[in-house]
Amino acid sequence: DAKTTQPPSMDCAEGRAANLPCNHSTISGNEYVYWYRQIHSQGPQYIIHGLKNNETNEMASLIITEDRKSSTLILPHATLRDTAVYYCIVRVWDDKIIFGKGTRLHILP
Amino acid sequence: ETGVTQTPRHLVMGMTNKKSLKCEQHLGHNAMYWYKQSAKKPLELMFVYSLEERVENNSVPSRFSPECPNSSHLFLHLHTLQPEDSALYLCASSPIRGPLGNEQFFGPGTRLTVL
Repeated sequence: DAKTTQPPSMDCAEGRAANLPCNHSTISGNEYVYWYRQIHSQGPQYIIHGLKNNETNEMASLIITEDRKSSTLILPHATLRDTAVYYCIVRVWDDKIIFGKGTRLHILP
Repeated sequence: ETGVTQTPRHLVMGMTNKKSLKCEQHLGHNAMYWYKQSAKKPLELMFVYSLEERVENNSVPSRFSPECPNSSHLFLHLHTLQPEDSALYLCASSPIRGPLGNEQFFGPGTRLTVL
């Protein structure tokens, strides 16, 4: 699996868009980009995933660059409940989800 | 109940005890997973079951013994654990193995403390 690089922490004001970057410069053509988050004392929660195209669901948007070497998770209107560690993961067909250290997102009131 | 449930949510055990963690998924998924999350360390995959068959064992010590009697239930049997085994143990499930179906859904975890 390709490795990912994320900033260790970020702050975002409540009500603003939170943009979480992820670098995956060694991603291969058949690897997907997944995002999970883990709120304190809870299990990880799936957010979104994509291959090439940008994706949007009720939780977030995923923007993948054309060369696929980086992506951005966008939480359009961050709330205090979005405070969590966000994990960017790339993976091929096998089952391993290898969680790195992620980005600790603090939503500021 | 919906989703992935785990029991117990908290467990304290001595090193000579034998205990079991239980995971149940109500999503109709065919693959289930055990993960370990130690303090200040990334999540570590321990075991993978697909259609009740173990397909992955990531060099986990034998004091951890998984069991998958059917596609809805997954157990982790614990015996003669060490204090360093204290961690949050997470269960997850996914529809199928492979990229298209493996949005993994996680349970709330069992926080284990070994004295």
